[in-house]
Amino acid sequence: RKEVEQDPGPFNVPEGATVAFNCTYSNSASQSFFWYRQDCRKEPKLLMSVYSSGNEDGRFTAQLNRASQYISLLIRDSKLSDSATYLCVVNTGFQKLVFGTGTRLLVSP
Amino acid sequence: DGGITQSPKYLFRKEGQNVTLSCEQNLNHDAMYWYRQDPGQGLRLIYYSQIVNDFQKGDIAEGYSVSREKKESFPLTVTSAQKNPTAFYLCASSNLAGVANTGELFFGEGSRLTVL
Repeated sequence: RKEVEQDPGPFNVPEGATVAFNCTYSNSASQSFFWYRQDCRKEPKLLMSVYSSGNEDGRFTAQLNRASQYISLLIRDSKLSDSATYLCVVNTGFQKLVFGTGTRLLVSP
Repeated sequence: DGGITQSPKYLFRKEGQNVTLSCEQNLNHDAMYWYRQDPGQGLRLIYYSQIVNDFQKGDIAEGYSVSREKKESFPLTVTSAQKNPTAFYLCASSNLAGVANTGELFFGEGSRLTVL
């Protein structure tokens, strides 16, 4: 089983739609969780951290369910510029981040 | 400007040749990392270093070597022993506390290696 699993997509949505991505992780001792965004042929960049209480940054909401070992990212009012690959990232300890394969999002006009 | 610089951006190599990818950072970060990304796969950790003159193997270290003689520099050598070297290589750095608390890795723009 992979340490971090994501649906690769692509998710095709129209502008203005709400879309949600999920991610599961296998190591119950994982300490912290993040979402990164990667544009085509570019380097990944940190989008947001994920907290158990849930956290929001503008149109983006991240949630963590430790009991189910599950992370989610919700994007409201999708923009064309949101088209990218979203990587679920887990800190398994010892300053090691494990990346999921990513979920590709395509937002169309 | 502070950041991470990788070079070269594109590199072609013949089978059997070693090649070294450069990674330099001026962010004063303690930790540096090398990842490999293949189509349809996530980033996989090759090597990482938390302090000068020390480094650890990641999940796919076979066929690669690194050095950390200076805080700013963490070059990666792809040796002829690496069976499938064609990939996108990403170097990153962070503060040690930063990785645990904010998860923020600062990435370079990457190096695309193609073996002919």
